[in-house]
Amino acid sequence: NAGVTQTPKFQVLKTGQSMTLQCAQDMNHEYMSWYRQDPGMGLRLIHYSVGAGITDQGEVPNGYNVSRSTTEDFPLRLLSAAPSQTSVYFCASRRGGQGVSPLHFGNGTRLTVT
Amino acid sequence: TQLLEQSPQFLSIQEGENLTVYCNSSSVFSSLQWYRQEPGEGPVLLVTVVTGGEVKKLKRLTFQFGDARKDSSLHITAAQPGDTGLYLCAGGSDNRLAFGKGNQVVVIP
Repeated sequence: NAGVTQTPKFQVLKTGQSMTLQCAQDMNHEYMSWYRQDPGMGLRLIHYSVGAGITDQGEVPNGYNVSRSTTEDFPLRLLSAAPSQTSVYFCASRRGGQGVSPLHFGNGTRLTVT
Repeated sequence: TQLLEQSPQFLSIQEGENLTVYCNSSSVFSSLQWYRQEPGEGPVLLVTVVTGGEVKKLKRLTFQFGDARKDSSLHITAAQPGDTGLYLCAGGSDNRLAFGKGNQVVVIP
């Protein structure tokens, strides 16, 4: 199993450009989420999904859109990139249902907006 | 958002020494998770603690959940260079897991 796969690993954008960060998991996990990690700020939740067709906002959703058309994929869209969105983005998934289950993270996408 | 504060932010020790890092909150958590993150990679789960007062051991790592379920500690015995990394505690609802800012640990050979 590949686990959680994120593409691309690195991306440089100019202010105002749009792009989609890809995330795919092959563990049949119901729950998927996006975090951003910034120095001194830790990991902050952007959006999450508890299943196909269901998404919800996290702590810092502004400037980002998500959709969940399949169980496997959870892309993150930046419609008009801003320098404040320079960060490392992590996608994570876990099995659904009640009880505590671990988050499985991808290896991140490092995004720079100039 | 339930705030998790980790201390110290940065710790550098010699190989063979012991260390303890802390995760504190004013909120009560039903469970806390500890992750370790290495450069260029995503966090990886080390342990989940669910019961107040619980102690879990993972080789040389000992995790404790406070009796009131508001805090947790991680103790490393005889640290090795392979223990170097960013240690993150996490808690909150299953759908909105919040993370502390992390304890950066560097073990010098």
